[in-house]
Amino acid sequence: IAGITQAPTSQILAAGRRMTLRCTQDMRHNAMYWYRQDLGLGLRLIHYSNTAGTTGKGEVPDGYSVSRANTDDFPLTLASAVPSQTSVYFCASSDTGPSHTGELFFGEGSRLTVL
Amino acid sequence: GQNIDQPTEMTATEGAIVQINCTYQTSGFNGLFWYQQHAGEAPTFLSYNVLDGLEEKGRFSSFLSRSKGYSYLLLKELQMKDSASYLCAPMDSNYQLIWGAGTKLIIKP
Repeated sequence: IAGITQAPTSQILAAGRRMTLRCTQDMRHNAMYWYRQDLGLGLRLIHYSNTAGTTGKGEVPDGYSVSRANTDDFPLTLASAVPSQTSVYFCASSDTGPSHTGELFFGEGSRLTVL
Repeated sequence: GQNIDQPTEMTATEGAIVQINCTYQTSGFNGLFWYQQHAGEAPTFLSYNVLDGLEEKGRFSSFLSRSKGYSYLLLKELQMKDSASYLCAPMDSNYQLIWGAGTKLIIKP
């Protein structure tokens, strides 16, 4: 059982380049999320999707875009990377149901360094 | 604004008990989660409290007081593998998780 798969696991990127972080889940969860985690800070929500075909902005959406063409995939794109986007990125999913209180399942993370 | 407060770091001895406190202020409340995160790994779910009181799950217990905006995670019979960060995350009225920076727990032999 794969759960959530993220790719790449690590990437060094020149500033100004475009980058897409991939996320795929095989649990048929409705909701998916992208977080960034920086030292000394809590996880911060970038974008989310409550169901296929819909997306929403989180706490720190600027410089990022997402799409949710189907249930399984939720890619995160940095159109023009900047050094402040150096971080560890986690994709997560949950089977929210009507109560919205399902636990989150996280991918292993993508460590991105922008030089 | 929304705010989570938990200690940055705690140290405990193998075999002992440790309590990690979390106070929170959120816009509305739909329960509180605790997650464990080992260094370099993804967070994993530990507990969820929506009603006041203590929820026990093996060596780990979680307590919630909604009126005080307070929760704690209690770890008993500490093992070296419990060395990790523990993340407190209440859920606000929009069902969004608000994450604390986490408490790094160091277990010493």
